[in-house]
Amino acid sequence: RKEVEQDPGPFNVPEGATVAFNCTYSNSASQSFFWYRQDCRKEPKLLMSVYSSGNEDGRFTAQLNRASQYISLLIRDSKLSDSATYLCVVNMLNNNDMRFGAGTRLTVKP
Amino acid sequence: DGGITQSPKYLFRKEGQNVTLSCEQNLNHDAMYWYRQDPGQGLRLIYYSQIVNDFQKGDIAEGYSVSREKKESFPLTVTSAQKNPTAFYLCASTLAGELSFGPGTRLTVL
Repeated sequence: RKEVEQDPGPFNVPEGATVAFNCTYSNSASQSFFWYRQDCRKEPKLLMSVYSSGNEDGRFTAQLNRASQYISLLIRDSKLSDSATYLCVVNMLNNNDMRFGAGTRLTVKP
Repeated sequence: DGGITQSPKYLFRKEGQNVTLSCEQNLNHDAMYWYRQDPGQGLRLIYYSQIVNDFQKGDIAEGYSVSREKKESFPLTVTSAQKNPTAFYLCASTLAGELSFGPGTRLTVL
């Protein structure tokens, strides 16, 4: 089993749609989780951290389910500019060993 | 401005040559990382370093070497032992779990 796994995608959705991505992790002791966004041929940029109680930033909502060992990212009212690859990151042993999922590609179409 | 710099942006080398990619940060971050990304795939961890003069292997360390003589610098050497070195190389650093990335170096081995 991979340490961090994501929905393979790609996701192709119309503008205004709601889309959700999941990411599972193997180490139940992991404490820190993040979602990053990566545009084509660019470096990843932090989208949001994932807190135990869940957190929201505008149209984006991140949640953590410790019992099932997954994190999720929900995007509401999708915009064309949301088209990108979304990467989940897990601090595996809480010692700065940061591992990425393979990424989920999202394309939002007019 | 604080940030991470990687140079050069594009690098071409002949097969069998060692090449060193530079990574410098002025964020005063303790931990630094090297990731490799192949087309259409996620980031794979090569090496990371939590403090000066210390580093740990990631999932794909074979054929690579690093040093951490200064807090600000974490150079990566791609040796001739790396079977398929052509890739996008990303350097990152972190202080409290959130990764900051450099712009990356695209290495092509001819």
